[in-house]
Amino acid sequence: GQQVMQIPQYQHVQEGEDFTTYCNSSTTLSNIQWYKQRPGGHPVFLIQLVKSGEVKKQKRLTFQFGEAKKNSSLHITATQTTDVGTYFCAGKENRDDKIIFGKGTRLHILP
Amino acid sequence: DAGVIQSPRHEVTEMGQEVTLRCKPISGHNSLFWYRQTMMRGLELLIYFNNNVPIDDSGMPEDRFSAKMPNASFSTLKIQPSEPRDSAVYFCASSFLRSGNTIYFGEGSWLTVV
Repeated sequence: GQQVMQIPQYQHVQEGEDFTTYCNSSTTLSNIQWYKQRPGGHPVFLIQLVKSGEVKKQKRLTFQFGEAKKNSSLHITATQTTDVGTYFCAGKENRDDKIIFGKGTRLHILP
Repeated sequence: DAGVIQSPRHEVTEMGQEVTLRCKPISGHNSLFWYRQTMMRGLELLIYFNNNVPIDDSGMPEDRFSAKMPNASFSTLKIQPSEPRDSAVYFCASSFLRSGNTIYFGEGSWLTVV
C-alpha cells in the first residue's frame, strides 16, 4: 500500500537557523499537503501542492513538490520559537480520497 | 464555524471497558476521517467515510474497533473491550472533496486505558 516517509524524525536548531524536512512517497501523488501540529494541539493545514515542480511560499516557509510528484520538502528560513511543533506531510493518490500522513518531523528550537 | 467537535476530550478507563468517542464534522463536509496518533506509529488513518458510507477501514487495528456514521453530522468510534495499548490520541477530521481534500482536525480525544 501507499507509504509516506518523512525525515528527519527530530530536529533541534538554534533560533535563527534554517530548517528543512523531507517527504517521500512510494507512489505518485495527485497532491501533497503540509500540516503543523503544536505541542498538545491538533494538526492544522498549512498548504497544498498539486503541480509537478510546484513551489509555494508562506513568509519564511517554502514548500516544494518534486517533478515526479513523489517527494516534497518544507524549508523554514531563520527559525523562530513560534515555529516549534511537528510538521507533517500528507499525500493523496489519484485513485481514491485516502490521505496518508508521514510520521512527521518534530522541530525544537534552542534559544 | 465551530470546527470539528470531538468528545470526550480526555478519558481514562480500565482495561476491558467499552470506550465510545464521538465526532461532529464541519457542516457541509462530505468526508470524515478517524486517525489515531501515538509516539511510536505517528498519525494512522483508521477509517474514512464519504457521504456517511465507510470507504476504507483497512486501518482499523482489529475487531475490537468499530466506527459508524449514522448521518452527516455525527460519527462514533467504539473500542470494545479496550486494552492498554489502545491508549492514544484519537482525532476525527472532516473535509469537503471539492476543496481539494483539505482536512480539518478536531482537537482530539486523549484516551488512557489502565
